[in-house]
Amino acid sequence: GAVVSQHPSWVICKSGTSVKIECRSLDFQATTMFWYRQFPKQSLMLMATSNEGSKATYEQGVEKDKFLINHASLTLSTLTVTSAHPEDSSFYICSAYTSGGTNNEQFFGPGTRLTVL
Amino acid sequence: DAKTTQPPSMDCAEGRAANLPCNHSTISGNEYVYWYRQIHSQGPQYIIHGLKNNETNEMASLIITEDRKSSTLILPHATLRDTAVYYCIVRVPLRGSGSRLTFGEGTQLTVNP
Repeated sequence: GAVVSQHPSWVICKSGTSVKIECRSLDFQATTMFWYRQFPKQSLMLMATSNEGSKATYEQGVEKDKFLINHASLTLSTLTVTSAHPEDSSFYICSAYTSGGTNNEQFFGPGTRLTVL
Repeated sequence: DAKTTQPPSMDCAEGRAANLPCNHSTISGNEYVYWYRQIHSQGPQYIIHGLKNNETNEMASLIITEDRKSSTLILPHATLRDTAVYYCIVRVPLRGSGSRLTFGEGTQLTVNP
């Protein structure tokens, strides 16, 4: 399957700082990217859907001013956690969608573990 | 979104078949059943998907009942590396831009030596 990378794989930051997470589709163009969050021992929760060149669509309860998503190109989406606090500590996972190929169009990145001190 | 129900956990002996059930009684006619798995601290990995017919690939087999209200994922010869959380997902189509995948709680499969 296609490859999706995330950078960094883990990050530790101080409370109040902002953290940017990158999601790249390495060998295909992704028209849509999805950002998920996963707390320990819980399932993945969809945060937002972003289409290249347009504003992201956020799920109910997700603060768009806190979780800034930019999908400036067909191979890169970024999630910026602004003014991070300890409760934002989580595992953030992106997935990328391409319209080519079979119905298995979504490919997941390896995740980024954020720890806010 | 069609809701799915899976047992929270299952155990399987190494080398034996692992049969993971999923109920999706409210599935609509154009929705596919997808299976993903997530090994600890990694991103989800696609396994298999189907609409009506049974499907098989190099990883697993998917058996969908005739009324499509339930399905079973079969790992024919489970190994220790198959220990993971397995998610059964019914695809919610988004027009022209991919599908939101809504993850339930999944089944924690533990393969024992």
